[in-house]
Amino acid sequence: DAGVIQSPRHEVTEMGQEVTLRCKPISGHNSLFWYRQTMMRGLELLIYFNNNVPIDDSGMPEDRFSAKMPNASFSTLKIQPSEPRDSAVYFCASRPLPSAANTGELFFGEGSRLTVL
Amino acid sequence: GENVEQHPSTLSVQEGDSAVIKCTYSDSASNYFPWYKQELGKRPQLIIDIRSNVGEKKDQRIAVTLNKTAKHFSLHITETQPEDSAVYFCAATLNQAGTALIFGKGTTLSVSS
Repeated sequence: DAGVIQSPRHEVTEMGQEVTLRCKPISGHNSLFWYRQTMMRGLELLIYFNNNVPIDDSGMPEDRFSAKMPNASFSTLKIQPSEPRDSAVYFCASRPLPSAANTGELFFGEGSRLTVL
Repeated sequence: GENVEQHPSTLSVQEGDSAVIKCTYSDSASNYFPWYKQELGKRPQLIIDIRSNVGEKKDQRIAVTLNKTAKHFSLHITETQPEDSAVYFCAATLNQAGTALIFGKGTTLSVSS
């Protein structure tokens, strides 16, 4: 498997523009997560899905942020309108459901570095 | 919800010394505690993990200890090498269901030769 695939790797946009980040989880993984990483706040959990269903979006900072997972192999994180304070690295990650035989390692994508001018 | 505190935020050691990073968590229902290493510009990657029914786990130069009563777990790196320099994150599961991980703010470890 190629691992968790994210696109774009880098995006530079202007304040007010819509940003869409994309993620393809590892095949067979039941859970998908979106994290945001900044120097000040570290790795923040934004939202996660189990079997394509959003479970907890309490980490989504504002209504400007939305996430979808229309099927088991694709998810998007959208910011509309974007603001300079949204500049960060956004990581998508996936893991299988934990079981007695499997701790359920969390695998990260390479991240999408967003810069909002 | 779960809160994970990590200390120290930066740690500088000489090559060959040991390094210890400590974390505390708030949710007594948490049952899985991984540690991730992130090199500059790269993704975080798992280096070791421990479940709540185990008190200690070791993998070569790396070990993790867990004290469930105190809600405290630690990463120990022995015989540090320059390639150990990175940011290390601890994490704990959000709840007993154990799906989501909440991360500490990270420790920047610098190993000088």
